[in-house]
Amino acid sequence: EVQLVESGGRLVQPGGSLRLSCAASRFTFSKYWMSWVRQAPGKGLEWVANIKQDGSQKYYGDSVKGRFTISRDNAKSSVYLQMNSLRVEDTAVYYCVRDKDWLDLWGQGTLVTVSS
Amino acid sequence: QLVLTQSPSASASLGAWVKLTCTLSSEHSHYAIAWHQQQPEKGPRYLMKLNSDGSHTKGDGIPDRFSGSSSGAERYLTISSLQSEDEADYYCQTWGTGGIQVFGGGTKLTVL
Repeated sequence: EVQLVESGGRLVQPGGSLRLSCAASRFTFSKYWMSWVRQAPGKGLEWVANIKQDGSQKYYGDSVKGRFTISRDNAKSSVYLQMNSLRVEDTAVYYCVRDKDWLDLWGQGTLVTVSS
Repeated sequence: QLVLTQSPSASASLGAWVKLTCTLSSEHSHYAIAWHQQQPEKGPRYLMKLNSDGSHTKGDGIPDRFSGSSSGAERYLTISSLQSEDEADYYCQTWGTGGIQVFGGGTKLTVL
């Protein structure tokens, strides 16, 4: 089955760091841009970042610019999100998504809770 | 600025049909969008890509009851023969220059 599986979400204190991972299976990962999208409790969807097939281009939403870093390892069919200087407002479910401009394959999400 | 506007809520009866609207900012009225469904307590699911001419490409396994259409800056998602499992949040999404992705605020659909 074509799928994306996120991991790494947990409770972290404000100011802390966390690295999320997303493993892809059953499709040629290296052919696609990949995005991270988040959803705060009871809120809508917010795009976080995306990365080109070879990692040469990366873009970020304004709310995470300078704090989060997206990366990928095509040999492992994986994409990552390094999150630093975490804030309470970063609390959300984080989804890994295949990005063809339109987002056509979503993972099940991983919960990040930022709280003291 | 690239903006998508959706009504916060909609409702329709079981077995009936409903048409949800997503409106693009006027200067972006020719953009394609995608529709996504999020059932309660689940992650989003891609429904379809919808072009400005109304042509659309649905995701794998999406029933024929789901269709898309376009008029000017408006993009529509029509769901016919409503079923209880169609009760969900529906989001439109588009993409701009520099990799940016934009979501509408979502429409909560209630099936009566």
